[in-house]
Amino acid sequence: KAGVTQTPRYLIKTRGQQVTLSCSPISGHRSVSWYQQTPGQGLQFLFEYFSETQRNKGNFPGRFSGRQFSNSRSEMNVSTLELGDSALYLCASSFGFRTGGEKLFFGSGTQLSVL
Amino acid sequence: DQQVKQNSPSLSVQEGRISILNCDYTNSMFDYFLWYKKYPAEGPTFLISISSIKDKNEDGRFTVFLNKSAKHLSLHIVPSQPGDSAVYFCAASSLQAAQKLVFGQGTRLTINP
Repeated sequence: KAGVTQTPRYLIKTRGQQVTLSCSPISGHRSVSWYQQTPGQGLQFLFEYFSETQRNKGNFPGRFSGRQFSNSRSEMNVSTLELGDSALYLCASSFGFRTGGEKLFFGSGTQLSVL
Repeated sequence: DQQVKQNSPSLSVQEGRISILNCDYTNSMFDYFLWYKKYPAEGPTFLISISSIKDKNEDGRFTVFLNKSAKHLSLHIVPSQPGDSAVYFCAASSLQAAQKLVFGQGTRLTINP
């Protein structure tokens, strides 16, 4: 069974540009969540999509957005990049149950560097 | 305002002994607590979880203890093995947003032979 796939693995952008990251969840999973990991702030929740709808959102500015397609694949977009957006962006997939304690399966992440 | 805290950035344990990783939280509304393990260049991997209505959950070498009155949980690994060397993250979530995990800063565990 294939795991969560994130592309690209590494990305270098300059300030002011925009970037799109892609995530393919495990087959059968309908929930895709995005997290940002930085040395200073740790792992922080960005948003979650379930059946093409944003179901939960973290405390990030509107420059961070996402979407989910009918095949559950998801993309996240960051516009007007800032130096502070340099981070590892992790995608996680799950069935999306609301029973609590559900296991999330994480991809290896996209390392974004903003110069 | 950090709702989940892991106060020990690192921990070193001898192979075969017990590893105890600690985590504190401030939000009483959390329904579930989870532990994830992370190796370099990989995403976090789920280890074990516990519901807020329980005080202990065991899975093989891993046991999580929850003390609700102290808002404290701990992960015990017995016996510790070299492959357990990784960064361990404590996380919490609510039933309404089970996929919205609030993570601690992580503890780097090193198992020495």
